Amino acid sequence: AQKITQTQPGMFVQEKEAVTLDCTYDTSDQSYGLFWYKQPSSGEMIFLIYQGSYDEQNATEGRYSLNFQKARKSANLVISASQLGDSAMYFCAMRGSYGNNRLAFGKGNQVVVIP
Amino acid sequence: DTEVTQTPKHLVMGMTNKKSLKCEQHMGHRAMYWYKQKAKKPPELMFVYSYEKLSINESVPSRFSPECPNSSLLNLHLHALQPEDSALYLCASSRQVGNSNSPLHFGNGTRLTVT
Repeated sequence: AQKITQTQPGMFVQEKEAVTLDCTYDTSDQSYGLFWYKQPSSGEMIFLIYQGSYDEQNATEGRYSLNFQKARKSANLVISASQLGDSAMYFCAMRGSYGNNRLAFGKGNQVVVIP
Repeated sequence: DTEVTQTPKHLVMGMTNKKSLKCEQHMGHRAMYWYKQKAKKPPELMFVYSYEKLSINESVPSRFSPECPNSSLLNLHLHALQPEDSALYLCASSRQVGNSNSPLHFGNGTRLTVT
């Protein structure tokens, strides 16, 4: 089975500052993918960034980067230069071989960016 | 703009009504998904279609009936729902099911209220 853990309480972030969202995972798979999604209050689930278990470099997509520490089984999301539009729920998710490659979600982190 | 389109955006229905949710994607993806999401919770998987065939049913009550008429379309037929079925219903697609590095792309969702 797979388990994703996001334990941070709701976060307030000053505009233009960086924020790190923690994610740890547990799996017995050797090959797996890690994903971060953003869900604003409008409801859409927006794919942000992907990290493969065999990728040696941390993934980056614009202002988003993933701090992947395989030995610690952590995949933290870093958002640089926060903007008001970054206010949303952020979900860490994982796909492995379990359950026909089901996407397992963490409970999410609420982020509010303040001006 | 999302590449997965869901209609309607909002739906209010009585417990005796029959309605349908619709989802469309034109990314050539061969896997499509229905998720149910309650407020402040992660999405819960309901159904998975792979190459237009139902591959996963997560023990969903029969009052929810999925249909995949072709590789681009996914419907969810609703009948005799209960108030506790009120939620955000998200459709998603991915290149294929058995691929841990393939992200799911979600639509905007349908906010369903059962009265």
